[in-house]
Amino acid sequence: DAGVIQSPRHEVTEMGQEVTLRCKPISGHDYLFWYRQTMMRGLELLIYFNNNVPIDDSGMPEDRFSAKMPNASFSTLKIQPSEPRDSAVYFCASRSFRQGKDGYTFGSGTRLTVV
Amino acid sequence: QKEVEQNSGPLSVPEGAIASLNCTYSDRVSQSFFWYRQYSGKSPELIMSIYSNGDKEDGRFTAQLNKASQYVSLLIRDSQPSDSATYLCAVNKGYGGATNKLIFGTGTLLAVQP
Repeated sequence: DAGVIQSPRHEVTEMGQEVTLRCKPISGHDYLFWYRQTMMRGLELLIYFNNNVPIDDSGMPEDRFSAKMPNASFSTLKIQPSEPRDSAVYFCASRSFRQGKDGYTFGSGTRLTVV
Repeated sequence: QKEVEQNSGPLSVPEGAIASLNCTYSDRVSQSFFWYRQYSGKSPELIMSIYSNGDKEDGRFTAQLNKASQYVSLLIRDSQPSDSATYLCAVNKGYGGATNKLIFGTGTLLAVQP
């Protein structure tokens, strides 16, 4: 089991540029979550999918953020245009409700810096 | 009022002592409660889950839940320097896994002094 895989691990970009973060959930997990972590606000849930369908995107901060899950093994979080206040660590997590697993398994995260 | 509240710490305890971490939550219908540990620069990892009132023990860790008081705690016995990390309390809002919306507190930083 390779776990939840995120790429890139680090991203430095200039303000106004488009940023795409990628996530591969654990095989068989039917829920996928995108979180953002900052010192000030902690871990915030941005959006989550069930069977590739977005269920709740109420945490997405604004229209500059979008997320897709074209298939069960891949999801993207896109920021366009990026701003310095988007700098944070972005985590992807997955969960299998059918298997009755507790909690969620997190990826290693993507540290985004917008300058 | 925050949905999940924790004291940010740092909580400093000597090696071998009991560390007590606390968490309160605002949504009375919450049913699932979790404690995650996060080392600096790493991702959160699940260490305990609890669903029913009372205590649940796993090795040196004990989770305690009091739904009437909307209170969750984590006790770490025989604290070790390797336990030094941020401990995140998380609550799954709604009944069972139906909503799957896991809300985190901002975490408590634990420092175990050798």
